[in-house]
Amino acid sequence: TQLLEQSPQFLSIQEGENLTVYCNSSSVFSSLQWYRQEPGEGPVLLVTVVTGGEVKKLKRLTFQFGDARKDSSLHITAAQPGDTGLYLCAGNNAGNNRKLIWGLGTSLAVNP
Amino acid sequence: GAGVSQSPSNKVTEKGKDVELRCDPISGHTALYWYRQRLGQGLEFLIYFQGNSAPDKSGLPSDRFSAERTGESVSTLTIQRTQQEDSAVYLCASSLYPGSGNTIYFGEGSWLTVV
Repeated sequence: TQLLEQSPQFLSIQEGENLTVYCNSSSVFSSLQWYRQEPGEGPVLLVTVVTGGEVKKLKRLTFQFGDARKDSSLHITAAQPGDTGLYLCAGNNAGNNRKLIWGLGTSLAVNP
Repeated sequence: GAGVSQSPSNKVTEKGKDVELRCDPISGHTALYWYRQRLGQGLEFLIYFQGNSAPDKSGLPSDRFSAERTGESVSTLTIQRTQQEDSAVYLCASSLYPGSGNTIYFGEGSWLTVV
């Protein structure tokens, strides 16, 4: 069974701090996606990474796909209260969206 | 519509009752997905539609769960004889096509509480 483990499970930080959250697996994925889910909302896609070692930046968010395509990280610089939410990673190696493997998420709270 | 729309947003039902959850996907999206998200657990795939057909029902947890899609648009997830363990957020999502290069757009979910 393929699993995606996310860590930490919970993170509470002050505005302006930096943080990194992780998504790890023993399985290789052809692509990996990061989503953010706010309370009462569905997940929203942030980024898809497909190449081992790939780094993508989205404003203050930096996403990295591991060289072996088994793990990924999300780094947020100078976190803001608007970054608060549940960050989910999802891996795909079947070429079809219905086969996404989802992590349990990291719940981030950024305090003003 | 502009996004995936789900109704009701919240539903409280008594154990043993049937419930219907509705999803209006983004217009033109051929692929539609239902997920369940229980507190403290990850997204659990339930069923996938390509057009009006459901080639993958592998995630439905029991025969109390069923879903249909009509007109390559609206989908309804039905839970019969609800149990307390059915309490969860039921998320619907759609994508233009089912391939992994197509972005999945989620609705806001239907929060079901079985008492």
